[in-house]
Amino acid sequence: DAGITQSPRHKVTETGTPVTLRCHQTENHRYMYWYRQDPGHGLRLIHYSYGVKDTDKGEVSDGYSVSRSKTEDFLLTLESATSSQTSVYFCAIREFETQYFGPGTRLLVL
Amino acid sequence: DQQVKQNSPSLSVQEGRISILNCDYTNSMFDYFLWYKKYPAEGPTFLISISSIKDKNEDGRFTVFLNKSAKHLSLHIVPSQPGDSAVYFCAASGEETSGSRLTFGEGTQLTVNP
Repeated sequence: DAGITQSPRHKVTETGTPVTLRCHQTENHRYMYWYRQDPGHGLRLIHYSYGVKDTDKGEVSDGYSVSRSKTEDFLLTLESATSSQTSVYFCAIREFETQYFGPGTRLLVL
Repeated sequence: DQQVKQNSPSLSVQEGRISILNCDYTNSMFDYFLWYKKYPAEGPTFLISISSIKDKNEDGRFTVFLNKSAKHLSLHIVPSQPGDSAVYFCAASGEETSGSRLTFGEGTQLTVNP
């Protein structure tokens, strides 16, 4: 257990509305990541952070933004949700060479 | 460009037998490889990893083999148990990969039949 929680765990929203997902960790890890999981694609990196206020894009960053104002929290925002962003979102932290994942947030955009 | 590929979407084996899950990669800069197991409605769980300086790593019933020349790795589970039924993802990273990001394969659904 890497001490990672995600909230909410489930969310249904409508197209065009903003959505923010939260990842919280308790063990002071420097690196945090946001992935999405879709059938046939495995997990794909959206954004990651290498410290407070330090973030960078992943392979599927369009339509997403992130913020990290304190070590323990990494926020993922969908500025204007679209149906293509219906997915399961996982947060992860890095410890040495290994990433450990949170329980996930299932998001449905109608 | 799928840099990490798991060509078998599913695998079914009998309890007690060996399960072999395969993974291929194309990026020669990858130097660290991991396997994750995922149950429905849960996050991926780290299983085992291997560095490119090794060709084998073993942890209990799980062994990962790395063939660098073929850019291929495999996960062996012996003996397989019904509780091993899950989706297995292989992942890779490299020293040159910014942020130590992981690149994942598509996953293989393993079903172990009692």
